[in-house]
Amino acid sequence: AQSVTQPDIHITVSEGASLELRCNYSYGATPYLFWYVQSPGQGLQLLLKYFSGDTLVQGIKGFEAEFKRSQSSFNLRKPSVHWSDAAEYFCAVGGVTGTALIFGKGTTLSVSS
Amino acid sequence: DADVTQTPRNRITKTGKRIMLECSQTKGHDRMYWYRQDPGLGLRLIYYSFDVKDINKGEISDGYSVSRQAQAKFSLSLESAIPNQTALYFCATSDRTAMKQFFGPGTRLTVL
Repeated sequence: AQSVTQPDIHITVSEGASLELRCNYSYGATPYLFWYVQSPGQGLQLLLKYFSGDTLVQGIKGFEAEFKRSQSSFNLRKPSVHWSDAAEYFCAVGGVTGTALIFGKGTTLSVSS
Repeated sequence: DADVTQTPRNRITKTGKRIMLECSQTKGHDRMYWYRQDPGLGLRLIYYSFDVKDINKGEISDGYSVSRQAQAKFSLSLESAIPNQTALYFCATSDRTAMKQFFGPGTRLTVL
């Protein structure tokens, strides 16, 4: 079955500290992988995406993610978190057939001062 | 102007009422989607449409119907709303590669 697992429901990080949000997927074909962010009361904004090629992808707002096929993972990282990064983060997977994305249940990030 | 718009942005209705949520896009995309978001459950697909004549059920289509009136418009209807349909609803669009989906701002629906 196709699925996305985000093991951490809620993470708190100190401002300036590094961040890693975990994402594992199960997908029967070549996956397209995405990270979206949702700020409180807002819609979803695409942070970055992986289709092929370099397994380390750079996104907006200083985020990056690394695709590891052997681990079926696509973890999101940021070297130094800002208070404005507090939001909910969703990992999603899609495929070449072009069907809708499958989303994880999300990880809520809180940033402490 | 926003590429994907949803109306209304907020709606409170009563059990048993019929309600329609509308989505319009100016991106020229063929594909449109409706998702619902519930706390702790992420986004789940309700319906999707690859073009005006192609409509498909998603993971949680029961209790919902859709209409693709034109390439740019995709409406979601709740024929008889029930409280567990209280959620945040998102419309999204993508081109034929579906490599990237663009989301609307969401409609917050409360069913009393």
